[in-house]
Amino acid sequence: DAGVIQSPRHEVTEMGQEVTLRCKPISGHDYLFWYRQTMMRGLELLIYFNNNVPIDDSGMPEDRFSAKMPNASFSTLKIQPSEPRDSAVYFCASSLKTYYGYTFGSGTRLTVV
Amino acid sequence: EDQVTQSPEALRLQEGESSSLNCSYTVSGLRGLFWYRQDPGKGPEFLFTLYSAGEEKEKERLKATLTKKESFLHITAPKPEDSATYLCAVHGSGNTGKLIFGQGTTLQVKP
Repeated sequence: DAGVIQSPRHEVTEMGQEVTLRCKPISGHDYLFWYRQTMMRGLELLIYFNNNVPIDDSGMPEDRFSAKMPNASFSTLKIQPSEPRDSAVYFCASSLKTYYGYTFGSGTRLTVV
Repeated sequence: EDQVTQSPEALRLQEGESSSLNCSYTVSGLRGLFWYRQDPGKGPEFLFTLYSAGEEKEKERLKATLTKKESFLHITAPKPEDSATYLCAVHGSGNTGKLIFGQGTTLQVKP
């Protein structure tokens, strides 16, 4: 089992550019979560999917953020246009059930300059 | 609103010096309390889930306990490799399934 796979590991982009983060969940997991981690705010849930359907996107900061899950093995988080305050580590996690432990990926460290 | 507060923010221990980390929570209808370990540059790693007050779980030098208001992560005779940030999270029946995380406790164990 390769675990949750995220790409890229690091992304440096200029303000105003579009950024796409990718995630491959563990096969068979019905739930996929996108979290953002910063020193100031800790781990914050952005959005989560159940069986590829978005269930709760109340944590998405604003319309610049969008997430999709076209199939059970792939999800993207897109930021357009990016801003310096979006700099953070973005984690994807997957789970069999919401009340089971999540398995997190290694994260994408995003720096917007 | 569901909330999780962890204390202390940081803890320094000598190798072999036992201690406890605290996680206080307010949640409507606790469905589970989770402990994770996070090493620098990595994603959180699942340690334990506790589902009801009085429950205890152990793994090597770690023991997690749960009451109706808080959870403790006891570390017995820690080693330098136990140094990490420990995160607590709750899943409540009113929040549609998402985990709410605390800010974490950063533990440093010196040899």
